[in-house]
Amino acid sequence: DTGVSQDPRHKITKRGQNVTFRCDPISEHNRLYWYRQTLGQGPEFLTYFQNEAQLEKSRLLSDRFSAERPKGSFSTLEIQRTEQGDSAMYLCASSPTGLLTNEQFFGPGTRLTVL
Amino acid sequence: AQTVTQSQPEMSVQEAETVTLSCTYDTSESDYYLFWYKQPPSRQMILVIRQEAYKQQNATENRFSVNFQKAAKSFSLKISDSQLGDAAMYFCAYKVSYDKVIFGPGTSLSVIP
Repeated sequence: DTGVSQDPRHKITKRGQNVTFRCDPISEHNRLYWYRQTLGQGPEFLTYFQNEAQLEKSRLLSDRFSAERPKGSFSTLEIQRTEQGDSAMYLCASSPTGLLTNEQFFGPGTRLTVL
Repeated sequence: AQTVTQSQPEMSVQEAETVTLSCTYDTSESDYYLFWYKQPPSRQMILVIRQEAYKQQNATENRFSVNFQKAAKSFSLKISDSQLGDAAMYFCAYKVSYDKVIFGPGTSLSVIP
């Protein structure tokens, strides 16, 4: 499968715990994006990387959130001291930097439930 | 600020019939891209159709077509010959070049057999 993959697909945690999600983009896609989607809403942008550089962060990304893409390949999104309001689907997307397309390819998402 | 509005939270269509989903957006940019994404109950986001703002011709992909009205900032999706597999959330989306995608709130489409 050459699509965007995310792990885990589901995560249930207790309030106050730390969680980490992983995203593997399509091979050779330079850009990687994280979005958050709450039930019944469209995805909201969190942050994006070009290679290993984090180029933009949304104001939605509080100090408890951190994202990395250390080698310009996979990315991790960590949430520290989780709160019930963090419960959502976290989507990852990737895109190439060529001029052929501006499409972002989405992964299946990680559904986080904070109890 | 760029915003995307979908005024129809829910829509339904009879199988084999045609349905149109509405979308309006707000931007001060002249060059941008518009998308319709489909998210079935399994929640994998899939691109349905794409429109470049500099192109006057409306995009078409098989049973899916758009009505792009740049001056009115309107971008509707028409689904012809609706099938049961078309049932999903549909998101209208906007982006500038390699920037982030801005999504609308979505329209839930039901297909009635």
